[in-house]
Amino acid sequence: DAGVTQSPTHLIKTRGQHVTLRCSPISGHKSVSWYQQVLGQGPQFIFQYYEKEERGRGNFPDRFSARQFPNYSSELNVNALLLGDSALYLCASSPVRGDSPLHFGNGTRLTVT
Amino acid sequence: AQSVTQLDSQVPVFEEAPVELRCNYSSSVSVYLFWYVQYPNQGLQLLLKYLSGSTLVESINGFEAEFNKSQTSFHLRKPSVHISDTAEYFCAVFNQAGTALIFGKGTTLSVSS
Repeated sequence: DAGVTQSPTHLIKTRGQHVTLRCSPISGHKSVSWYQQVLGQGPQFIFQYYEKEERGRGNFPDRFSARQFPNYSSELNVNALLLGDSALYLCASSPVRGDSPLHFGNGTRLTVT
Repeated sequence: AQSVTQLDSQVPVFEEAPVELRCNYSSSVSVYLFWYVQYPNQGLQLLLKYLSGSTLVESINGFEAEFNKSQTSFHLRKPSVHISDTAEYFCAVFNQAGTALIFGKGTTLSVSS
């Protein structure tokens, strides 16, 4: 089975622009989560979606939003990009909502100039 | 609130030497603990997990970790490391709702010959 897939792998944007990152979970997994990993740090939780509804949100500004589609894939949107948004964005999936190991994709490297 | 502290930011060792990567956690609820490994330019891979049962958990590539409730620790060990074990290692615990992983800052394991 394919693992978690993310696209694009790399992205360069300018301050103030908008970006959309995409994620396809492992087949059969209904929960998708998004994490931000700044260079040299551990990943920070942004969102969790389960059965197309937001189930958890981390400490990120409203510029960050996400959604989950009927096929359980997900998009992360970031508006009004700042230099500090430069990071590796990781998507993870799990079969159930909570207390189950997360399976991560290889991430999207976002650079904001 | 849950938190994770990885006590060493960098651990340099020689090939075939033993290694221990230390992790302490803080949690007021039932604990589910994980170690993830991240190779350069890749996402996170689950190395091993503690959900319940035996306090000693093992991975397929020779790593093991022991859950110690009294010391609130989940240290990762390997009796003999290989060059290929060079990577970033993250310890993580689920938040109280069980919906998001809280990661430590990571430990860089550098194995040299």
